[in-house]
Amino acid sequence: EADIYQTPRYLVIGTGKKITLECSQTMGHDKMYWYQQDPGMELHLIHYSYGVNSTEKGDLSSESTVSRIRTEHFPLTLESARPSHTSQYLCASSERTGGFPNTGELFFGEGSRLTVL
Amino acid sequence: KNQVEQSPQSLIILEGKNCTLQCNYTVSPFSNLRWYKQDTGRGPVSLTIMTFSENTKSNGRYTATLDADTKQSSLHITASQLSDSASYICVVSDRGSTLGRLYFGRGTQLTVWP
Repeated sequence: EADIYQTPRYLVIGTGKKITLECSQTMGHDKMYWYQQDPGMELHLIHYSYGVNSTEKGDLSSESTVSRIRTEHFPLTLESARPSHTSQYLCASSERTGGFPNTGELFFGEGSRLTVL
Repeated sequence: KNQVEQSPQSLIILEGKNCTLQCNYTVSPFSNLRWYKQDTGRGPVSLTIMTFSENTKSNGRYTATLDADTKQSSLHITASQLSDSASYICVVSDRGSTLGRLYFGRGTQLTVWP
């Protein structure tokens, strides 16, 4: 089983609240990711990091922000939650790979299901 | 446009039966293809990886195939068990950069009935 942990697993909050979704991994992986997943839809990459002090926006525009101060920790923050932010958020990590082929197995946390009322 | 299409969208089978899930992709240049299993309420877990030169790979009761010419992959599950009920996601990686980019299918929702 992968050593990557997300908290909280479930969160129900009101509009306008600030929330932080926590993600930690103990595998020493350089690369970490946040994905958004809605029922019946593919995973969409919203943020990724290649290492400490490195963060990039993914393919899906998101109002959330991330930070990577420590290798093992990659939290996601929403300053002002809205109902449109209701979704499942999955954190993942992988080993740094270079060159071809990129085998890049992703190790996922169990997800944080966010509901904004 | 790079895409990954999976079929069927959902599938119901009886315990002990076999089934095959399909994945068609247009991703180019191709690096590898992974099948992930996602149990309800959990994160996806990798089942197998297929690279360009591989045609078939097995992982227990799961057998993946890859036809790089037609850009198709299948995941065959033998003697299904109730624990096989999950979403199966096909993920294709390109090699446009050294770190690769991932393209996700929408998954096939498999339900195994007793």
